[in-house]
This record gives sequence, structure tokens and C-alpha cells, in this order.
Amino acid sequence: SAVISQKPSRDICQRGTSLTIQCQVDSQVTMMFWYRQQPGQSLTLIATANQGSEATYESGFVIDKFPISRPNLTFSTLTVSNMSPEDSSIYLCSVARANTGELFFGEGSRLTVL
Amino acid sequence: DAKTTQPPSMDCAEGRAANLPCNHSTISGNEYVYWYRQIHSQGPQYIIHGLKNNETNEMASLIITEDRKSSTLILPHATLRDTAVYYCIVRVPIQGAQKLVFGQGTRLTINP
Repeated sequence: SAVISQKPSRDICQRGTSLTIQCQVDSQVTMMFWYRQQPGQSLTLIATANQGSEATYESGFVIDKFPISRPNLTFSTLTVSNMSPEDSSIYLCSVARANTGELFFGEGSRLTVL
Repeated sequence: DAKTTQPPSMDCAEGRAANLPCNHSTISGNEYVYWYRQIHSQGPQYIIHGLKNNETNEMASLIITEDRKSSTLILPHATLRDTAVYYCIVRVPIQGAQKLVFGQGTRLTINP
């Protein structure tokens, strides 16, 4: 199984600021996925991040609000830009095992926007 | 994308088998059924997956109906630590890889 580390594990931010979440994987992976989990809700896929190309965003999510970097096969960042209280969520990074599609998740980054 | 339907919540007594149903009536022939669970404040954990045959591993069993329109996850001897939200997901293939789209899940409570 892949080991995924996310930073920060939690943060409290002011409205209008931006925060970058880092995701480090202990092995090389082609695709990394970023999910959001709002309080009491299920996980919602934000985007799929491929190394060497632009991320693919799901409906309702745009690059200007959630820019993603994928500089190499073990690392990705998600930035939550111009934050509002509605952005208060847990943000999770995940990777897929190539042949089976089994997903491994980081422990998430709990973001609170005041 | 195929959608899944799960009961929002279930209760089960400790030591009994927990049977969690999932409907996925629009699943297509090459889509797999995955089950994950999320224990409070943790990242989701993979449990099991299958295509058409029943599957069993050290955590659970997965029973898929012959028409593949529904499945049941079975935890044979539930413990208090199995209290979690359980997600039934159908795999959506994209560009040769797979993304998983989560539904609302079933909140399973194991009672002593």
C-alpha cells in the first residue's frame, strides 16, 4: 500500500487568504486525486492531477479557485484561493493502484476559514 | 457515471454479521464495485472490490447479484471498531486510469 503524507494536517485561516496543501507519496504514481469533504458530507472529487500536464477539474471546480501543481511523480499541491467560510472542509489527496483502481488516501487537511 | 444508492444508516449488534446493501442499477459491463469505509476523522480505507463474482478477503465478503444491479457487503463478525461510514462506489474509467466518485454512504453503528 502507498504511504501518503499531507501537510498541514489542519489550519485556521482568515477570509480572503490562500492556503497551499502538500501531498507526498512514497512511490511514483501517474495520477493523484484531490477530494473535498465538507462537514457531515461525503467526499467530492475536485480534480485529477497528472504529472506533466494540467489537472482535470470536475464540474463545479475551477483552476482559478483550486490551482494544482504536479511537479513530479511523488508530489502534488492543491491551493485553496481567496478563501471563504464555505471552503471550510477536509481536503484529501489520494492515489490509485494502477491495475485494480484501489485508492489510497492521506489523512486529510482540515481547513477552517474564519 | 453509474450511481449508487445506499441506506443512510444501519445498526448492528456486536458479534453479528453486518450486511450493507447497495444498488447500482445503471452499472455497465466493465465497471467494478468498490467498497470503502471512513472511520471518524480518518481518510477512507479500502475494503474490497469485485466485478461479477463474489469476493472475500480478511476484512469482508462482497456478494454481487447475477444481473450486477446490486451488491451486499458482509462484515461477518462486527466489532465496535467497525463503526464507520461505508461507501459503495462504482469505478469510472478515465483515460486508462480510474477515478472513484463517492455517494453518501451508509453510517453503520455497531452496538455492544
